[in-house]
Amino acid sequence: AQSVAQPEDQVNVAEGNPLTVKCTYSVSGNPYLFWYVQYPNRGLQFLLKYITGDNLVKGSYGFEAEFNKSQTSFHLKKPSALVSDSALYFCAVRDGGYNKLIFGAGTRLAVHP
Amino acid sequence: EADIYQTPRYLVIGTGKKITLECSQTMGHDKMYWYQQDPGMELHLIHYSYGVNSTEKGDLSSESTVSRIRTEHFPLTLESARPSHTSQYLCASSEQGSNQPQHFGDGTRLSIL
Repeated sequence: AQSVAQPEDQVNVAEGNPLTVKCTYSVSGNPYLFWYVQYPNRGLQFLLKYITGDNLVKGSYGFEAEFNKSQTSFHLKKPSALVSDSALYFCAVRDGGYNKLIFGAGTRLAVHP
Repeated sequence: EADIYQTPRYLVIGTGKKITLECSQTMGHDKMYWYQQDPGMELHLIHYSYGVNSTEKGDLSSESTVSRIRTEHFPLTLESARPSHTSQYLCASSEQGSNQPQHFGDGTRLSIL
């Protein structure tokens, strides 16, 4: 069965420092991977996806993610964190051929001034 | 910017009432989804639809029902609300194609007294 794991409940970063939010996956076949962000009292917003091709994927708001097949990871990164990046981040993997998504448990990112 | 709307945003109602949560999208997406999310927690798929007159149950068992009579409209109904139904409900839609991201509404926060 397809699954994703986000090993950290919370990540704390100082503003201006680089940030990483971790995600590992388990799939049969080629993985279709996604990152979403959720701000308080809002729905999820799509950040980026990996389907195939270049292992470094660039997305919205300066975020990028690195796909690593050997480590089955898809970590979200940003070179310089902003206080406004503080939110809940979800990694997701496509479930088979149905375009259903399986979400991780989420990681709360707190960026401190 | 995705155009998917959920109403009401907040609903506090007594036990035993019939509730309908509305979800509409103006993007012409065939696929639509309902997720249940406790605040700050992971998402659980409860219903999805591939198009008009298509509805399927998701991964999390739910006492709610859905209908899809029009492409743009995917309401969720609880015939008799109970306190255990208290949660946030998120609606999403996506284009055809297994690599398409889902676009989310801002959710309905439901409290059953």
